[in-house]
Amino acid sequence: DADVTQTPRNRITKTGKRIMLECSQTKGHDRMYWYRQDPGLGLRLIYYSFDVKDINKGEISDGYSVSRQAQAKFSLSLESAIPNQTALYFCATSDSLRTSGNEQYFGPGTRLTVT
Amino acid sequence: QKEVEQDPGPLSVPEGAIVSLNCTYSNSAFQYFMWYRQYSRKGPELLMYTYSSGNKEDGRFTAQVDKSSKYISLFIRDSQPSDSATYLCASGKGADGLTFGKGTHLIIQP
Repeated sequence: DADVTQTPRNRITKTGKRIMLECSQTKGHDRMYWYRQDPGLGLRLIYYSFDVKDINKGEISDGYSVSRQAQAKFSLSLESAIPNQTALYFCATSDSLRTSGNEQYFGPGTRLTVT
Repeated sequence: QKEVEQDPGPLSVPEGAIVSLNCTYSNSAFQYFMWYRQYSRKGPELLMYTYSSGNKEDGRFTAQVDKSSKYISLFIRDSQPSDSATYLCASGKGADGLTFGKGTHLIIQP
């Protein structure tokens, strides 16, 4: 089984709809991240969380919100989806107990299309 | 200017060749440097990780960091068609999220 799972894997939604993307992990890591990937722009950080009570905005948090329901679960919400939020969304995890740094492990991604 | 710059390619080389992939970064505070491999419609897979200047080798892969020139490299020896993918360099500091380059699309011709 995959260590980091994302649901749904593909989603098409309409402008103005609320949508939630979910991430679960079995790696036992405490840190979790949400990124989006766009052609020509690479991966950009949306939000990240060090534990259930610690949520931080990333480079492009406007239009998004997150919820850390448990150490293993981190959800990303688009309150009112717009077409320029069409992208590939990735969840990642890392382990604060690693003293050497911040190696991040990614899920398989969710392809979101907003029409 | 992005904090991490990477030529998007595509880079096409014959099977068996040595591949050199490169990035530059501008933030002197970056402490660690990573290379990810991403196949089409898949998530990025961590390949190499370095924390200081110098070389790190793992099988056919060598990661090189030169902090004085802010230059990051990945070398692939004896390249295989299965190495065809997009390679992403990334840098970071502390527990913050990573800053990624745009990725280089690599094609290994059989």
